[in-house]
Amino acid sequence: GIQVEQSPPDLILQEGANSTLRCNFSDSVNNLQWFHQNPWGQLINLFYIPSGTKQNGRLSATTVATERYSLLYISSSQTTDSGVYFCAGDDKIIFGKGTRLHILP
Amino acid sequence: GAVVSQHPSWVICKSGTSVKIECRSLDFQATTMFWYRQFPKQSLMLMATSNEGSKATYEQGVEKDKFLINHASLTLSTLTVTSAHPEDSSFYICSAPFRSGALRELFFGEGSRLTVL
Repeated sequence: GIQVEQSPPDLILQEGANSTLRCNFSDSVNNLQWFHQNPWGQLINLFYIPSGTKQNGRLSATTVATERYSLLYISSSQTTDSGVYFCAGDDKIIFGKGTRLHILP
Repeated sequence: GAVVSQHPSWVICKSGTSVKIECRSLDFQATTMFWYRQFPKQSLMLMATSNEGSKATYEQGVEKDKFLINHASLTLSTLTVTSAHPEDSSFYICSAPFRSGALRELFFGEGSRLTVL
């Protein structure tokens, strides 16, 4: 099956910093999404982005389907951005292991 | 976005009892729903695909008799953990795909934290 690799696995940043999270797929995927899992476990939809670029406030995402990767950009980080970020794709929605982001005040 | 609701959000039960978790799509219909299990500080592992009107499809290594899945209607899927044991303690989360044309976006319930004593 498809393998999903996320990097970095952990990231600690100062409030206000920018960050880039990456997601690589071993094969072409459909229905690529980015999620933020908050401390209570709730998965929040960030982007549905099978290809192209989207922006939502301080967050943006780019998927290059032909090269099988996606990037999530977080600008001007806030402490509320802390949590785990997952990318997932394919018809069964296979998840990567996530990037654990910790924003320091 | 579409809303998926999961209930209960947390449950504590005694070993040997069964626990039912419900997953509802509140504002759209879903012929399939997905059930995941998540251990602390790990990713989500797909357990099974719930299919309305037919049997669930289980992933390799998931015990069908332990985790009973029923997709009773186009808006409701249930997961029953039968004869629960402490090793079944985990965070269970469901999802449903919202379809619109070529778009197929997955929305998740709030999750259910199961503790088996």
